[in-house]
Amino acid sequence: DTEVTQTPKHLVMGMTNKKSLKCEQHMGHRAMYWYKQKAKKPPELMFVYSYEKLSINESVPSRFSPECPNSSLLNLHLHALQPEDSALYLCASSQVGGKSNNEQFFGPGTRLTVL
Amino acid sequence: AQRVTQPEKLLSVFKGAPVELKCNYSYSGSPELFWYVQYSRQRLQLLLRHISRESIKGFTADLNKGETSFHLKKPFAQEEDSAMYYCALSNAGGTSYGKLTFGQGTILTVHP
Repeated sequence: DTEVTQTPKHLVMGMTNKKSLKCEQHMGHRAMYWYKQKAKKPPELMFVYSYEKLSINESVPSRFSPECPNSSLLNLHLHALQPEDSALYLCASSQVGGKSNNEQFFGPGTRLTVL
Repeated sequence: AQRVTQPEKLLSVFKGAPVELKCNYSYSGSPELFWYVQYSRQRLQLLLRHISRESIKGFTADLNKGETSFHLKKPFAQEEDSAMYYCALSNAGGTSYGKLTFGQGTILTVHP
């Protein structure tokens, strides 16, 4: 399996809801990433996990809470979001160490709409 | 701080014409540069990376450290090349994951 999968594809939620985005990969990658992408804009890094530990938090508001329960799974828990949080949320994974560690494989994304 | 600049938001060419998408970067260390492509309704995917020096789908890119550039070139554009192209820079060394910084992207349209 050489793909990163993300569920759900689309999510509509109200500002008081709690929801979660899921990401999965079975390529043996030990680094996983969450990005936020607005329309016609580049992805913006939110979080990086390395060996299931949070390594980078790009000053993301606490209403976004990442979780890495094991080496294949990455979750993003959402609570009390704002309409401006509506975006495409991308998950990516990569190896750690070695020459190919910088190649990130991206999932198709979850299109989130906050009403 | 690392920064990637793609000066053209939009680039239009006719089929069969040469195309060059510009990318300049600033980084104090030894960077690793990539081109990613996002076709309509498809996921972001790696097109090529400077260390592999390979040609993918007829595209090539050469890292010019003197000019801090990594321009993407193709001698004969095809309609299926129409997509959003992102230049990206990674700050990783050989022992850790890479933090990718993306340029703003260039939308390439190839007309028939």
